[in-house]
Amino acid sequence: AQKVTQAQTEISVVEKEDVTLDCVYETRDTTYYLFWYKQPPSGELVFLIRRNSFDEQNEISGRYSWNFQKSTSSFNFTITASQVVDSAVYFCAPRDNAGNMLTFGGGTRLMVKP
Amino acid sequence: EADIYQTPRYLVIGTGKKITLECSQTMGHDKMYWYQQDPGMELHLIHYSYGVNSTEKGDLSSESTVSRIRTEHFPLTLESARPSHTSQYLCATDRGRGNEQFFGPGTRLTVL
Repeated sequence: AQKVTQAQTEISVVEKEDVTLDCVYETRDTTYYLFWYKQPPSGELVFLIRRNSFDEQNEISGRYSWNFQKSTSSFNFTITASQVVDSAVYFCAPRDNAGNMLTFGGGTRLMVKP
Repeated sequence: EADIYQTPRYLVIGTGKKITLECSQTMGHDKMYWYQQDPGMELHLIHYSYGVNSTEKGDLSSESTVSRIRTEHFPLTLESARPSHTSQYLCATDRGRGNEQFFGPGTRLTVL
């Protein structure tokens, strides 16, 4: 079984600020996958990024970047130069090696004010 | 981009009614999922399917049932809706282990 903790329930920033969303997970698997999803007010979940547990290289994709630290079981997500359209609920979700289930955290509601 | 469709998008019904929430995908994926999400809360897996004629219960107990007669369709049925079933229901699909899941737009169900 896996467990996810997104300690920040709500974050409010002003447009153009950088913001980091924290995610800490628990898993017994040695191989697993990590995902971030965005849920705007429309309700649909939008896939953002995926990481394999055996690849700790951190990357940047446009305004998004992520910091995967296997030693601390953290998978943090950063938005650079935030925009109002980034306002949404963001979910971190590990997936077990059997690949059956995503385990969702409680989500972090991000509000970007103009 | 995934093509996953859910109908209806919004549904308000009275207690005791039988309802079916439709989910269809044009991706040809074998795996499909149903999640339940209360407003502002995390998603909980209630059903999933490995393929045609395969259905499994998820980690959240649900009074709903599902069927998978065709690869493209994964409908969810509530035989007798109750106010406790009021929630958003999200359908998803993927290619299998390690791959991202693609979600439909969801059905917001309100049972009066």
